[in-house]
Amino acid sequence: GESVGLHLPTLSVQEGDNSIINCAYSNSASDYFIWYKQESGKGPQFIIDIRSNMDKRQGQRVTVLLNKTVKHLSLQIAATQPGDSAVYFCAEKASGTYKYIFGTGTRLKVLA
Amino acid sequence: NAGVTQTPKFQVLKTGQSMTLQCAQDMNHEYMSWYRQDPGMGLRLIHYSVGAGITDQGEVPNGYNVSRSTTEDFPLRLLSAAPSQTSVYFCASSYSTPSGGAVSKNIQYFGAGTRLSVL
Repeated sequence: GESVGLHLPTLSVQEGDNSIINCAYSNSASDYFIWYKQESGKGPQFIIDIRSNMDKRQGQRVTVLLNKTVKHLSLQIAATQPGDSAVYFCAEKASGTYKYIFGTGTRLKVLA
Repeated sequence: NAGVTQTPKFQVLKTGQSMTLQCAQDMNHEYMSWYRQDPGMGLRLIHYSVGAGITDQGEVPNGYNVSRSTTEDFPLRLLSAAPSQTSVYFCASSYSTPSGGAVSKNIQYFGAGTRLSVL
């Protein structure tokens, strides 16, 4: 079974509703942020990214919002589907570095 | 286009044994990295490389060695396995070094992972 994901915060949403997953990042010097989706037994998969000179970026059914004042990142998923069930990670990178720092993740459960 | 390929998918070692986790990418990516993922924790960077012949330490490098003799391959070596190294290991690569380039070119693509147990 999947051992990764124990003790993770869990967000349960009804199919068709919108989901909002939050992430607090630690470094005020971080200038690039990514959201990843990880399904059971698989590697993380890119969802959407954003640079620090932007507040919002939209993709297909997903939107990332960045609030640099409070060092907060959020991922909004519109019309959540069963296939969206997974663990979602945010990652930050500081300017001038090659190192990404990952959050601990949030498990999204979509209820039929 | 295979993307990032990791082998083996599963491995069981005894304490003190050595082994190499393989990672190969066919996208001509400059940047490659190794992470470990433990229950309840995010991915933690072990080592990374910004090009052939160049490697550097990440957040948790102790007990691991890497080399980058070609652009395509970035193996991770466990010199003397310990139970604390039981984890899921992921290799990742990206088009350009993270500090520059277009936004989407900094995306890291991950392999499927290697689940390692050290007894």
